[in-house]
Amino acid sequence: QSVLTQPPSVSGAPGQRVTISCNGSSSDIGAGLDVHWYQQLPGTAPQLVIYGNNKRPSGVPDRFSGSRSGTSASLAITGLQAEDGADYYCQSYDSRVTGYVFGTGTTVTVL
Amino acid sequence: EVQLEESGGGLIQPGGSLRLSCAASGFSVSAYYLSWVRQAPEKGLEWVSVIYVGGTTYYADSVKGRFTISRDNSKNTVFLQMNSLRGDDTAVYYCARVPRSHWYFDLWGRGTLVTVSS
Repeated sequence: QSVLTQPPSVSGAPGQRVTISCNGSSSDIGAGLDVHWYQQLPGTAPQLVIYGNNKRPSGVPDRFSGSRSGTSASLAITGLQAEDGADYYCQSYDSRVTGYVFGTGTTVTVL
Repeated sequence: EVQLEESGGGLIQPGGSLRLSCAASGFSVSAYYLSWVRQAPEKGLEWVSVIYVGGTTYYADSVKGRFTISRDNSKNTVFLQMNSLRGDDTAVYYCARVPRSHWYFDLWGRGTLVTVSS
């Protein structure tokens, strides 16, 4: 089963902007399939923060935004806050194996 | 309240079997896709299986032939039967909801820990 590739970690000071990349292939992101993003705080279940590439569920702050282009996607967090420190995972669908795929995960550290 | 609650995890010896349950409240499991996602200790998320509204099921290659997902609409519950368990099946198993005709997980349970060890 393929996975989507993310950087292991990114960091930024409070108030700064950080971005997380998510690299896929021609059978998932590159096939036009949507990318979604989850935030996982330590010891808790993942929570959806972006769906359909760039849509935010109710209750998610507008400092979270997403985009997709070609075989890649990215999540941006502007105005970084201490509470944003967590693990983030991208996710898509692999049409070749008819299954869901997750990214390798990125730890965001607020300095 | 709309929620999912997993149960059935525990310590099991290699080669053993275990059945996980995922009880839904606040919505009907028959109207959504339901999936299992696992996370090994200190590792990332791994999709395991999904059951669609019509009953069609799919599995990750790592569990195909060993795990079976099913649904009981009368109990509003989804199950994961796990057989021939191995050490690399040790993980927290999350139940997650997928809105119909979409491919993301909009609701997650808290998870249940499965430890495969002798």
